[in-house]
Amino acid sequence: SQQGEEDPQALSIQEGENATMNCSYKTSINNLQWYRQNSGRGLVHLILIRSNEREKHSGRLRVTLDTSKKSSSLLITASRAADTASYFCATDALGRRALTFGSGTRLQVQP
Amino acid sequence: SQTIHQWPATLVQPVGSPLSLECTVEGTSNPNLYWYRQAAGRGLQLLFYSVGIGQISSEVPQNLSASRPQDRQFILSSKKLLLSDSGFYLCAWSDRDQPQHFGDGTRLSIL
Repeated sequence: SQQGEEDPQALSIQEGENATMNCSYKTSINNLQWYRQNSGRGLVHLILIRSNEREKHSGRLRVTLDTSKKSSSLLITASRAADTASYFCATDALGRRALTFGSGTRLQVQP
Repeated sequence: SQTIHQWPATLVQPVGSPLSLECTVEGTSNPNLYWYRQAAGRGLQLLFYSVGIGQISSEVPQNLSASRPQDRQFILSSKKLLLSDSGFYLCAWSDRDQPQHFGDGTRLSIL
């Protein structure tokens, strides 16, 4: 499988619930980033976590990174209908000048 | 502040016709520039990236090419489009080791 695989592929929750998305990767990284994409639009950067960090917060977002397991998770707390989008992880691998994106998790938040 | 412009937003082209998609960045100097393609409901596939004028790295062998005639201009081209070239094309820029910033994309349909 390719670098940066997210699971689940799709997630449907009710407004107010928490949403957790996971990402696995294969190679050593400098950092891992999470992006959001609304349907038919470009990607928007959400948060970057460096390889020497284990957890990072930004508003309702919480990202964890476990380099021993080569995995990361994105938690969105108290979700809103406006959080409905696709979420992608992207790895900045050592020795590589470009990010590698996963196939994304499609999140649907029901009002 | 930095902005990225990508056009056109949508494009319908016949098989065998040429292609030229343009991307420009404002408010920064010597950015890294990227072209991605995204199939429906899928992740991003890196096509080309550039770290400077005239410096193009190709990720995937195909009938597409890229050029960077000016510092903040990145062009995606094809001499003869194939049906398989249909997709959503995204341009992005970044400063070294920083998150990427995306344009709004071009939806290309090949008939």
